[in-house]
Amino acid sequence: DGGITQSPKYLFRKEGQNVTLSCEQNLNHDAMYWYRQDPGQGLRLIYYSQIVNDFQKGDIAEGYSVSREKKESFPLTVTSAQKNPTAFYLCASSIRGTSGGSADTQYFGPGTRLTVL
Amino acid sequence: EDQVTQSPEALRLQEGESSSLNCSYTVSGLRGLFWYRQDPGKGPEFLFTLYSAGEEKEKERLKATLTKKESFLHITAPKPEDSATYLCAVQATGTASKLTFGTGTRLQVTL
Repeated sequence: DGGITQSPKYLFRKEGQNVTLSCEQNLNHDAMYWYRQDPGQGLRLIYYSQIVNDFQKGDIAEGYSVSREKKESFPLTVTSAQKNPTAFYLCASSIRGTSGGSADTQYFGPGTRLTVL
Repeated sequence: EDQVTQSPEALRLQEGESSSLNCSYTVSGLRGLFWYRQDPGKGPEFLFTLYSAGEEKEKERLKATLTKKESFLHITAPKPEDSATYLCAVQATGTASKLTFGTGTRLQVTL
């Protein structure tokens, strides 16, 4: 089955800890994305990557870091610098991730709920 | 700045009672408008991509339409299993496939 997997489903973090959220896709998509979802707000883009070994900041990148060493994987680290990390985190991928051409549909994983204790 | 506004915030329908959800948008140049369905605690599920004004797409009881300023998601004779949050998003030209999302419409369909 082709798709996007995220792990863990639930994650608890103590104050001052860094935690890493996993995202893997077997759709052979070039682009991958991380979003944060809070109650009453639309999904907000944290980071995105159009190609291996390259990534760009989204609208709310402060306190987060990413890497893209493999096409299939795009892990997100929530650092202790992120002051309000409790949220639902969603990973997505799309075929191209480029600016040109027709619309590029993003497909989402099941999400990770992060709670700060 | 690209913006997406969805209305109503919440909608309660009886089974079989048809209605429409609205998505108003402003964007520098529209590359595509997307509709997703999201169940509680799960990731958004892709429903439709609309590319240009006048386009319509259907899937079971759902029909999405697009004008130059807004999109509608029409739900015909809904069933309880259609209960979910419906998200609208736009993708602008020259934005490397980034999406701008609305806050969603929470739909509840009762017997």
